[in-house]
Amino acid sequence: AQKITQTQPGMFVQEKEAVTLDCTYDTSDQSYGLFWYKQPSSGEMIFLIYQGSYDEQNATEGRYSLNFQKARKSANLVISASQLGDSAMYFCAMRPVPIQGAQKLVFGQGTRLTINP
Amino acid sequence: EPEVTQTPSHQVTQMGQEVILRCVPISNHLYFYWYRQILGQKVEFLVSFYNNEISEKSEIFDDQFSVERPDGSNFTLKIRSTKLEDSAMYFCASRARTGGSQPQHFGDGTRLSIL
Repeated sequence: AQKITQTQPGMFVQEKEAVTLDCTYDTSDQSYGLFWYKQPSSGEMIFLIYQGSYDEQNATEGRYSLNFQKARKSANLVISASQLGDSAMYFCAMRPVPIQGAQKLVFGQGTRLTINP
Repeated sequence: EPEVTQTPSHQVTQMGQEVILRCVPISNHLYFYWYRQILGQKVEFLVSFYNNEISEKSEIFDDQFSVERPDGSNFTLKIRSTKLEDSAMYFCASRARTGGSQPQHFGDGTRLSIL
């Protein structure tokens, strides 16, 4: 079975600083996808970034980047130059193989990020 | 940008009553999902749906739950006889096509409160 672990229940960061949110995963599959979602206090789930297990380069999307270390089974989200609007719950998720088809997402417990002015 | 639409945003129901949660996925998407999130907890998978049938369901998705795609646009989740523990945020999601990089796009959720 696949499992996602987010060990930081809460993080407090000063505005404009960079922040790293940790995510480790457990799977015996060779091929999988890793996702990060943001959930603001309003409740919606917003897709941020994707990393494929065979991608050689770390994914980047604007201020978001993913520090993917396959051997350590970690997929940490890095937010550069944090903003007050980044305050939210952040979920790491994995899509197990096979990649094809209606594959579900397995979520971690989430990290609540608070950006202080 | 196209989005997944869920109605209602908040549903309050008496225990034992039936409830139907409605979703309109993104129009060209092929795969549909329901997840739930009990307050303060992680998001849990309920069911996936493709080609007019259930692809996978979790242990949570027991006989009290059913899904339907009655026409080309709507995707519904029915809970036949609600329990107190069904109180949660329910998210509908859809995905475009096969390929690992395609994310699931989530709706804003329906907050279900069982009294």
